[in-house]
Amino acid sequence: NAGVTQTPKFQVLKTGQSMTLQCAQDMNHNSMYWYRQDPGMGLRLIYYSASEGTTDKGEVPNGYNVSRLNKREFSLRLESAAPSQTSVYFCASRLTGRGTEAFFGQGTRLTVV
Amino acid sequence: SQQGEEDPQALSIQEGENATMNCSYKTSINNLQWYRQNSGRGLVHLILIRSNEREKHSGRLRVTLDTSKKSSSLLITASRAADTASYFCAPYQAGTALIFGKGTTLSVSS
Repeated sequence: NAGVTQTPKFQVLKTGQSMTLQCAQDMNHNSMYWYRQDPGMGLRLIYYSASEGTTDKGEVPNGYNVSRLNKREFSLRLESAAPSQTSVYFCASRLTGRGTEAFFGQGTRLTVV
Repeated sequence: SQQGEEDPQALSIQEGENATMNCSYKTSINNLQWYRQNSGRGLVHLILIRSNEREKHSGRLRVTLDTSKKSSSLLITASRAADTASYFCAPYQAGTALIFGKGTTLSVSS
């Protein structure tokens, strides 16, 4: 099993450009998450999807949109990238329930210049 | 959703010593999860303790949970250089999202 796969691993964007970060999981999980991690800030939740067809805002949703394309895939879109969105982005998934752990992808390092 | 607060922010120890890090939270939970992050990589789940459990062991890891004080601790015994990483707690309540704090950065020197 591949687990959680994120693409791309690295990306450099110019201010104002748009892009979509892809995330796919093969564990039949119903919940999926997008986080960003900045130095000294820990992980901050951008958006999450508790099940196929639903999405909810997290702590820092401004400047982002998400799509839960199907049960496997959860994408994060930056419509007009800003330098403040330079970060490492992590996707995670878990089986909804009281006692289940989250599985993380390897991250996408995004630089906006 | 609620965020845990890890303490200390940074911890430096020698190989063979024990490392203890703490997590505090604010509201009732169903379980509390601990994760490790090696530099630049995704988080990896270490251990989960349910709200009706007080202590749990996994190899060199020992986790305690005190729901009356709304706190948890993670003890790593006989630390190794390979334990150098950041550690995060995630207090979880059913029906909410998984939120992480800023973590504890552990450095183990040989």
